[in-house]
Amino acid sequence: GNSVTQMEGPVTLSEEAFLTINCTYTATGYPSLFWYVQYPGEGLQLLLKATKADDKGSNKGFEATYRKETTSFHLEKGSVQVSDSAVYFCALSTTLGDDKIIFGKGTRLHILP
Amino acid sequence: DARVTQTPRHKVTEMGQEVTMRCQPILGHNTVFWYRQTMMQGLELLAYFRNRAPLDDSGMPKDRFSAEMPDATLATLKIQPSEPRDSAVYFCASGLGGYGEKLFFGSGTQLSVL
Repeated sequence: GNSVTQMEGPVTLSEEAFLTINCTYTATGYPSLFWYVQYPGEGLQLLLKATKADDKGSNKGFEATYRKETTSFHLEKGSVQVSDSAVYFCALSTTLGDDKIIFGKGTRLHILP
Repeated sequence: DARVTQTPRHKVTEMGQEVTMRCQPILGHNTVFWYRQTMMQGLELLAYFRNRAPLDDSGMPKDRFSAEMPDATLATLKIQPSEPRDSAVYFCASGLGGYGEKLFFGSGTQLSVL
């Protein structure tokens, strides 16, 4: 079945450090891939997405590249800020006739000033 | 800005009581999802609807949970009877459906069953 595996947290970094959160997936068909972010006390919101192989999604300094050969969609940011502290979810949806979005378990990120 | 509205934001109840959570999806969205979030299990899909028809509720304990969409502006999730293990944050999300389309989430209902 379809699934998403992402690195466990929490991840703690100092401000201006480089961030990578790993995400790999298993899917039938050709999935769309997403990163969602959840700030404290709020629902999830879309951070970026990519819908085909080699596409790069980007937003707010975050980037992720759809790698079909390694079934990965790692999230990166060159210089994190305290305001980036949140929980990050990798997710996928497939083309196989339903609209389900499958989420990973989430990675909590703490940025220290 | 259009948003998904969930009520109540917080609910504390006693074991055995009925709980009803409500969701108003964004106007024009044709898919609605219910998710449950806990520390142990992460984000679990409970049920989802397309054009108000239930497509998948396999993630939902059928003996106590029920999900409905009485009309296009209202989705409900009921638990009867509630149990302490149901304590979690319940999220509703809506979307346009289709490949690559994103979901819009509500702020969630924080449920505590004592």
